[in-house]
Amino acid sequence: GQQVMQIPQYQHVQEGEDFTTYCNSSTTLSNIQWYKQRPGGHPVFLIQLVKSGEVKKQKRLTFQFGEAKKNSSLHITATQTTDVGTYFCAGTYNTDKLIFGTGTRLQVFP
Amino acid sequence: DAGITQSPRHKVTETGTPVTLRCHQTENHRYMYWYRQDPGHGLRLIHYSYGVKDTDKGEVSDGYSVSRSKTEDFLLTLESATSSQTSVYFCAISAGLRNQPQHFGDGTRLSIL
Repeated sequence: GQQVMQIPQYQHVQEGEDFTTYCNSSTTLSNIQWYKQRPGGHPVFLIQLVKSGEVKKQKRLTFQFGEAKKNSSLHITATQTTDVGTYFCAGTYNTDKLIFGTGTRLQVFP
Repeated sequence: DAGITQSPRHKVTETGTPVTLRCHQTENHRYMYWYRQDPGHGLRLIHYSYGVKDTDKGEVSDGYSVSRSKTEDFLLTLESATSSQTSVYFCAISAGLRNQPQHFGDGTRLSIL
């Protein structure tokens, strides 16, 4: 079946350092969504990317969709303790439902 | 936050017993989903619904059944619970299937002993 791979599984950073998580698919995605889940909470939608090569920014967060629509990344500049949580990508193929990646758990040390 | 209520929030039960989890929404969204979340697996789709009495299987549907008799309610049933079904279960809703964000409930932590 179709899979969306996400790396790294865990990332520990010092507050103020940058962070990036990557999402990869073996086949072309129709679109990709990103979610954040705080410890003990539920996933919360962050953004959706649809177009090839698309880049979107939300304050310190930058989201990219690859030219071939097979990969995506989320980059956080100058992490803060409020960024702690697990970040999930979720991709859609042409005729199917969202498939979630396994997530990247971010820990930020003050 | 979207109006999604999951009940119960926590449940402990024994192997072999039936369990029903409820998801209630006040957003009048057409699509509703049940996911399970386990360490190392992310969120995996169990079943989803695209309307009243219209449901379909997800990637991990074995051992689970669902029903949707009203737009606002989506029930997940474990007919005979097993320890492998110990997990956190999330309900989600969306206005569309592919290009719409999903909004999640607070989850149900289910332990099967």
